[in-house]
Amino acid sequence: NAGVTQTPKFQVLKTGQSMTLQCAQDMNHEYMSWYRQDPGMGLRLIHYSVGAGITDQGEVPNGYNVSRSTTEDFPLRLLSAAPSQTSVYFCASRPLGTSQITYNEQFFGPGTRLTVL
Amino acid sequence: EDKVVQSPLSLVVHEGDTVTLNCSYEVTNFRSLLWYKQEKKAPTFLFMLTSSGIEKKSGRLSSILDKKELFSILNITATQTGDSAIYLCAVGGTGNQFYFGTGTSLTVIP
Repeated sequence: NAGVTQTPKFQVLKTGQSMTLQCAQDMNHEYMSWYRQDPGMGLRLIHYSVGAGITDQGEVPNGYNVSRSTTEDFPLRLLSAAPSQTSVYFCASRPLGTSQITYNEQFFGPGTRLTVL
Repeated sequence: EDKVVQSPLSLVVHEGDTVTLNCSYEVTNFRSLLWYKQEKKAPTFLFMLTSSGIEKKSGRLSSILDKKELFSILNITATQTGDSAIYLCAVGGTGNQFYFGTGTSLTVIP
Protein backbone atom coordinates (compact mmCIF):
# COMPACT_ATOMS: atom_id res chain seq x y z
CA ASN A 1 0.00 0.00 0.00
CA ALA A 2 1.24 3.47 -0.85
CA GLY A 3 -0.90 4.97 1.94
CA VAL A 4 -1.76 8.64 1.41
CA THR A 5 0.05 10.36 -1.45
CA GLN A 6 0.13 14.05 -2.29
CA THR A 7 1.38 15.95 -5.30
CA PRO A 8 3.17 18.21 -5.82
CA LYS A 9 5.62 18.34 -2.89
CA PHE A 10 6.42 22.00 -3.53
CA GLN A 11 4.65 24.72 -5.49
CA VAL A 12 5.17 28.44 -6.05
CA LEU A 13 2.26 30.47 -7.39
CA LYS A 14 1.66 34.09 -8.22
CA THR A 15 -1.27 35.92 -6.66
CA GLY A 16 -4.44 35.19 -8.62
CA GLN A 17 -3.29 31.91 -10.15
CA SER A 18 -5.31 28.77 -9.61
CA MET A 19 -4.11 25.26 -9.00
CA THR A 20 -5.15 21.86 -7.67
CA LEU A 21 -3.38 19.93 -4.94
CA GLN A 22 -3.81 16.22 -5.47
CA CYS A 23 -4.44 13.66 -2.74
CA ALA A 24 -5.00 9.93 -3.14
CA GLN A 25 -5.25 6.99 -0.77
CA ASP A 26 -5.34 3.27 -1.44
CA MET A 27 -6.67 2.09 1.93
CA ASN A 28 -10.36 2.34 0.99
CA HIS A 29 -10.90 4.94 3.73
CA GLU A 30 -14.25 6.69 3.68
CA TYR A 31 -13.04 9.82 5.47
CA MET A 32 -10.58 12.22 3.84
CA SER A 33 -9.60 15.70 4.90
CA TRP A 34 -7.37 18.63 4.07
CA TYR A 35 -5.45 20.65 6.67
CA ARG A 36 -3.17 23.60 6.48
CA GLN A 37 -0.33 24.06 8.94
CA ASP A 38 1.01 27.50 9.74
CA PRO A 39 3.62 28.43 12.37
CA GLY A 40 2.01 28.89 15.75
CA MET A 41 -1.42 27.86 14.45
CA GLY A 42 -1.28 24.09 14.52
CA LEU A 43 -3.24 22.11 11.95
CA ARG A 44 -6.49 23.67 10.81
CA LEU A 45 -9.17 21.76 8.94
CA ILE A 46 -10.07 23.18 5.52
CA HIS A 47 -12.55 20.68 4.09
CA TYR A 48 -13.41 17.07 4.68
CA SER A 49 -15.39 14.27 3.09
CA VAL A 50 -17.10 11.22 4.56
CA GLY A 51 -17.49 9.46 1.23
CA ALA A 52 -17.72 9.85 -2.51
CA GLY A 53 -20.05 12.69 -3.42
CA ILE A 54 -20.11 14.13 0.13
CA THR A 55 -18.00 17.08 1.25
CA ASP A 56 -18.23 19.60 4.06
CA GLN A 57 -16.43 22.68 5.32
CA GLY A 58 -13.97 22.74 8.16
CA GLU A 59 -12.60 25.68 10.14
CA VAL A 60 -10.98 27.63 7.29
CA PRO A 61 -12.74 26.81 3.99
CA ASN A 62 -12.67 30.22 2.29
CA GLY A 63 -10.67 30.31 -0.94
CA TYR A 64 -10.67 26.53 -1.34
CA ASN A 65 -12.91 24.06 -3.16
CA VAL A 66 -13.01 20.29 -2.96
CA SER A 67 -14.80 17.45 -4.66
CA ARG A 68 -14.92 13.71 -4.05
CA SER A 69 -15.87 11.78 -7.16
CA THR A 70 -14.16 8.55 -6.04
CA THR A 71 -13.24 6.98 -2.70
CA GLU A 72 -9.54 7.24 -3.56
CA ASP A 73 -9.13 10.87 -4.61
CA PHE A 74 -9.78 14.15 -2.81
CA PRO A 75 -8.31 17.13 -4.70
CA LEU A 76 -8.09 20.61 -3.18
CA ARG A 77 -8.52 23.56 -5.52
CA LEU A 78 -7.27 27.07 -4.96
CA LEU A 79 -9.42 29.26 -7.15
CA SER A 80 -7.42 32.49 -6.97
CA ALA A 81 -4.30 32.14 -4.86
CA ALA A 82 -3.49 34.77 -2.23
CA PRO A 83 -0.33 35.26 -0.15
CA SER A 84 -2.38 34.33 2.94
CA GLN A 85 -2.63 30.82 1.50
CA THR A 86 1.11 30.29 1.78
CA SER A 87 1.28 27.24 4.02
CA VAL A 88 1.99 23.54 4.25
CA TYR A 89 -1.01 21.47 3.22
CA PHE A 90 -1.65 17.98 4.54
CA CYS A 91 -4.18 15.48 3.31
CA ALA A 92 -5.33 12.79 5.73
CA SER A 93 -7.60 9.77 5.61
CA ARG A 94 -9.08 7.24 8.00
CA PRO A 95 -11.87 4.71 8.27
CA LEU A 96 -15.14 6.38 9.16
CA GLY A 97 -16.09 4.31 12.20
CA THR A 98 -19.68 4.11 13.35
CA SER A 99 -22.10 7.01 13.46
CA GLN A 100 -21.77 7.17 17.24
CA ILE A 101 -18.10 6.65 17.89
CA THR A 102 -15.01 7.80 16.08
CA TYR A 103 -12.05 5.77 17.25
CA ASN A 104 -9.76 5.88 14.32
CA GLU A 105 -6.37 7.46 13.86
CA GLN A 106 -5.77 9.55 10.79
CA PHE A 107 -3.09 8.72 8.25
CA PHE A 108 -1.32 11.76 6.84
CA GLY A 109 0.22 12.35 3.44
CA PRO A 110 3.74 13.85 3.15
CA GLY A 111 2.46 17.39 2.65
CA THR A 112 2.64 20.08 -0.04
CA ARG A 113 4.57 23.26 0.68
CA LEU A 114 2.85 26.11 -1.16
CA THR A 115 4.21 29.61 -1.54
CA VAL A 116 2.09 32.37 -3.04
CA LEU A 117 3.99 35.46 -4.15
CA GLU B 1 -16.10 27.24 20.38
CA ASP B 2 -14.20 23.98 20.27
CA LYS B 3 -10.53 24.31 21.11
CA VAL B 4 -7.45 22.34 22.06
CA VAL B 5 -4.63 23.97 24.01
CA GLN B 6 -1.17 22.49 24.41
CA SER B 7 1.51 23.51 26.84
CA PRO B 8 4.28 24.32 26.98
CA LEU B 9 4.72 25.73 23.47
CA SER B 10 8.37 24.72 23.47
CA LEU B 11 10.73 22.82 25.70
CA VAL B 12 14.50 22.27 25.71
CA VAL B 13 15.87 19.41 27.80
CA HIS B 14 19.03 17.33 28.09
CA GLU B 15 19.25 13.69 27.09
CA GLY B 16 18.03 11.46 29.89
CA ASP B 17 15.53 13.97 31.26
CA THR B 18 11.83 13.15 31.65
CA VAL B 19 9.28 15.48 30.09
CA THR B 20 5.53 15.93 30.45
CA LEU B 21 3.51 17.52 27.69
CA ASN B 22 0.01 18.80 28.37
CA CYS B 23 -3.14 18.94 26.28
CA SER B 24 -6.40 20.46 27.51
CA TYR B 25 -9.55 20.60 25.45
CA GLU B 26 -13.06 21.93 25.15
CA VAL B 27 -14.67 19.93 22.36
CA THR B 28 -18.36 19.21 21.93
CA ASN B 29 -19.26 15.52 22.14
CA PHE B 30 -15.76 14.25 22.79
CA ARG B 31 -14.96 11.04 20.91
CA SER B 32 -11.21 10.49 21.16
CA LEU B 33 -7.89 12.21 21.82
CA LEU B 34 -4.87 11.48 19.67
CA TRP B 35 -1.17 12.26 20.08
CA TYR B 36 1.09 12.66 17.05
CA LYS B 37 4.82 13.21 16.58
CA GLN B 38 5.91 15.48 13.73
CA GLU B 39 9.52 15.66 12.51
CA LYS B 40 9.83 18.01 9.51
CA LYS B 41 7.23 15.99 7.63
CA ALA B 42 3.78 14.50 8.13
CA PRO B 43 2.55 13.76 11.65
CA THR B 44 2.94 10.15 12.73
CA PHE B 45 0.48 8.54 15.10
CA LEU B 46 1.50 7.79 18.69
CA PHE B 47 -1.56 7.10 20.81
CA MET B 48 -5.33 7.23 20.80
CA LEU B 49 -7.22 7.60 24.07
CA THR B 50 -10.92 7.28 24.56
CA SER B 51 -11.35 6.33 28.23
CA SER B 52 -10.22 8.07 31.40
CA GLY B 53 -7.54 6.60 33.60
CA ILE B 54 -6.22 3.98 31.21
CA GLU B 55 -2.55 4.58 30.48
CA LYS B 56 -1.26 3.86 27.00
CA LYS B 57 2.41 2.94 26.78
CA SER B 58 4.87 2.47 23.97
CA GLY B 59 8.48 2.10 25.08
CA ARG B 60 9.53 5.31 26.83
CA LEU B 61 6.32 7.12 25.89
CA SER B 62 3.09 6.97 27.84
CA SER B 63 -0.14 8.91 27.87
CA ILE B 64 -3.25 9.18 29.97
CA LEU B 65 -6.59 10.91 29.63
CA ASP B 66 -8.78 12.63 32.23
CA LYS B 67 -12.24 13.16 30.73
CA LYS B 68 -13.55 14.81 33.88
CA GLU B 69 -10.88 17.52 33.93
CA LEU B 70 -10.64 17.55 30.10
CA PHE B 71 -6.94 17.02 29.66
CA SER B 72 -4.31 14.53 28.65
CA ILE B 73 -0.60 14.26 29.31
CA LEU B 74 2.15 12.69 27.26
CA ASN B 75 5.21 11.54 29.21
CA ILE B 76 8.58 10.78 27.69
CA THR B 77 11.16 9.22 29.99
CA ALA B 78 14.94 9.00 29.41
CA THR B 79 14.70 11.38 26.46
CA GLN B 80 16.95 10.92 23.43
CA THR B 81 17.90 13.33 20.64
CA GLY B 82 15.59 11.35 18.35
CA ASP B 83 12.66 12.51 20.47
CA SER B 84 13.20 16.06 19.20
CA ALA B 85 10.02 16.93 17.31
CA ILE B 86 6.73 18.75 17.51
CA TYR B 87 4.14 16.81 19.48
CA LEU B 88 0.57 17.41 18.40
CA CYS B 89 -2.62 16.72 20.30
CA ALA B 90 -5.89 16.27 18.37
CA VAL B 91 -9.39 15.78 19.72
CA GLY B 92 -12.22 14.21 17.77
CA GLY B 93 -15.68 15.57 18.39
CA THR B 94 -18.98 16.18 16.62
CA GLY B 95 -19.19 15.70 12.90
CA ASN B 96 -16.10 13.60 12.39
CA GLN B 97 -13.83 16.60 12.80
CA PHE B 98 -10.53 16.61 14.63
CA TYR B 99 -9.34 19.76 16.38
CA PHE B 100 -5.58 20.18 16.70
CA GLY B 101 -3.58 22.08 19.25
CA THR B 102 -0.67 24.27 18.17
CA GLY B 103 1.80 21.63 19.28
CA THR B 104 4.72 21.47 21.71
CA SER B 105 8.18 21.77 20.19
CA LEU B 106 10.59 19.52 22.06
CA THR B 107 14.35 19.84 21.63
CA VAL B 108 16.60 17.26 23.30
CA ILE B 109 20.23 18.36 23.67
CA PRO B 110 22.96 15.69 23.78
